[in-house]
Amino acid sequence: EVLLVESGGGLVQPGGSLRLSCAASGFIFSNYEMNWVRQAPGKGLEWIAYIATSGSPMYHADSVRGRFTISRDNVKNSLHLHMNSLRADDTAIYYCARHSGYGGGYWGQGTLVTVSS
Amino acid sequence: QPVLTQSSSASASLGSSVKLTCTLSSGHSNYLIAWHQQQPGKAPRFLMNLDDNRVNDKGSGVPDRFSGSSSGADRYLTISNLQSEDEADYYCETWDTDTWVFGGGTKLTVL
Repeated sequence: EVLLVESGGGLVQPGGSLRLSCAASGFIFSNYEMNWVRQAPGKGLEWIAYIATSGSPMYHADSVRGRFTISRDNVKNSLHLHMNSLRADDTAIYYCARHSGYGGGYWGQGTLVTVSS
Repeated sequence: QPVLTQSSSASASLGSSVKLTCTLSSGHSNYLIAWHQQQPGKAPRFLMNLDDNRVNDKGSGVPDRFSGSSSGADRYLTISNLQSEDEADYYCETWDTDTWVFGGGTKLTVL
């Protein structure tokens, strides 16, 4: 069974940093491209970052470029999102997602990030 | 980059069928898209991906009541024999070289 389990969310002050992790199991992690997608309260889905199977290239949405960095560890079967200079509008549930291209996608259960003083 | 357009809402009766539409922007009519379902309070679930010809992958455990089809720039998700648990938000997704995009989502109400 494919499982994606996010962790690392929580309450952080504006300007702070956070590191999200996603533990993958049930498939050959190194064979699949991965994404981070977020959903602000009451809003739709927003793609924020992509990483290729080998770790390069990586792409980030305009809204987070320069502040967030996606990375992966194919030995530990894990995906990460390093978030700096957090703002109130970064408040959202953050989902780890296997790329929805050929082979099919999967989603984690999400981790909530709240940016507030 | 591609843009995806979805109706904001749809409704249909229990036991009937409904067809949701996702339209790709001009110049992107041959793109592969994915459909996702998000039930209230839950994480999204991958339903299927389809290109301008056929469904390529279907999500694990997705009932046969869910099917996909295409016509030009339109990608359809048809749900037959609607059940109460089908009441959810449905999102389409596509991607280009360095950008992924989601449609705004369709909120499906089962009457």
